[in-house]
Amino acid sequence: GIQVEQSPPDLILQEGANSTLRCNFSDSVNNLQWFHQNPWGQLINLFYIPSGTKQNGRLSATTVATERYSLLYISSSQTTDSGVYFCAVAGGTSYGKLTFGQGTILTVHP
Amino acid sequence: SQTIHQWPATLVQPVGSPLSLECTVEGTSNPNLYWYRQAAGRGLQLLFYSVGIGQISSEVPQNLSASRPQDRQFILSSKKLLLSDSGFYLCAWNRDYGYTFGSGTRLTVV
Repeated sequence: GIQVEQSPPDLILQEGANSTLRCNFSDSVNNLQWFHQNPWGQLINLFYIPSGTKQNGRLSATTVATERYSLLYISSSQTTDSGVYFCAVAGGTSYGKLTFGQGTILTVHP
Repeated sequence: SQTIHQWPATLVQPVGSPLSLECTVEGTSNPNLYWYRQAAGRGLQLLFYSVGIGQISSEVPQNLSASRPQDRQFILSSKKLLLSDSGFYLCAWNRDYGYTFGSGTRLTVV
């Protein structure tokens, strides 16, 4: 199956800083999603982005499918951005069956 | 709008006892439904998925089973829990694009 590698595994920021999270995947995908898991465990879908670039407020994401990576940008970080960020992918006939990376734990200090 | 309900939120069960976790989706029809488990650590592992009533696919051989008795209801079960079944169980649904996750059940087997 597809392998998903996220980096960095941990990230500590001061409020107001910018950051870039990376997701590498081992095969072509037709489904790529970014999620944020808050400290209570709730997973929120941030982007559905198998290719191209999207923006939502302070967050944006870019997927370069031909080079098998995706980037999640967080600008002007806030303490509420803390949590775990997951990249998840699927390819071929496994369209809906996502394989998750191990996540990036983000801690934003005031 | 679509909503997903998952209960209970937390559960402590003795080894050897049965398990039933329920997930229901509102505001959509014929969703794809998924059960994931998040063990200690960070990654999510797909356990079961369903594309229709009575249609269940298992991704990982284990002590658990799933059923879909109605279009928008997905149930995760076990006849006899093992210590290794402890974890955070998440139900999710999608139709075309992004996933929506339930709030999860934290299961501790003692």
